[in-house]
Amino acid sequence: QKEVEQNSGPLSVPEGAIASLNCTYSDRGSQSFFWYRQYSGKSPELIMFIYSNGDKEDGRFTAQLNKASQYVSLLIRDSQPSDSATYLCAGGDSNYQLIWGAGTKLIIKP
Amino acid sequence: AAGVIQSPRHLIKEKRETATLKCYPIPRHDTVYWYQQGPGQDPQFLISFYEKMQSDKGSIPDRFSAQQFSDYHSELNMSSLELGDSALYFCASSLEVGGTEAFFGQGTRLTVV
Repeated sequence: QKEVEQNSGPLSVPEGAIASLNCTYSDRGSQSFFWYRQYSGKSPELIMFIYSNGDKEDGRFTAQLNKASQYVSLLIRDSQPSDSATYLCAGGDSNYQLIWGAGTKLIIKP
Repeated sequence: AAGVIQSPRHLIKEKRETATLKCYPIPRHDTVYWYQQGPGQDPQFLISFYEKMQSDKGSIPDRFSAQQFSDYHSELNMSSLELGDSALYFCASSLEVGGTEAFFGQGTRLTVV
C-alpha cells in the first residue's frame, strides 16, 4: 500500500515566523514530490515540486527532499496570514499517479 | 497562460440521475487525472488517462465511467447518483516530459439532492 502521511494539524505559527510542514512516504519508487496549497472550497494550487535530494528554494518557500529517510518538507519563511490554508503533499510514482497525503492545516496568527 | 478548464463549475442533480463532467487539459498535455474530494477530506484519485487510454484506476465506483477523447479532453460520466456522490471533482493534466507535475482545474462542485 503506497502511502503519503502528513500531520493533519492544525499547525499554528505566528506571523513572520517560519512554518515547517512535513511529509513522509512509503513508496521508494516515488520519483517526484509536490506541495499544493488549498484554500477552503478551492482546488489545490501547485506551490513547489522537487525531484532531487536536497533543498529547492522559490521565494519564501523551500522544499526539502531526503530520499534515504523518505521524507519531504516545506518551509515557509516570513509567514503571512494569507498563507493560512491546507497544504497537501503528493508523491508521483512511475505510472504518473499522484499519491496524496491528507493535508496539514496551517494557521498563521497575526 | 491557459489552465485546466472544467465544466460545469456547479451542478445539482437528484438521486438516481446521471451527470457528465468535462475537463479540458492544458494545451499539449496528454495525461488527465480525475479526483473526488468529499467535505473535509483529501482528494481521492479516481482514474487517469494517457494518450486517450486508461492508464490507472483508483477508487472509481462502477457507476462511474470516463474517457479521453482525440482532442485530449476528458469526460467523467456518473450514473445512478447517490447522496454520497456530492463532492468536489477535480481534473488535473500533465505533460509526461521530465516528471509528473500536474496542474488542477477549478473543480466541479456536484450536489446530489
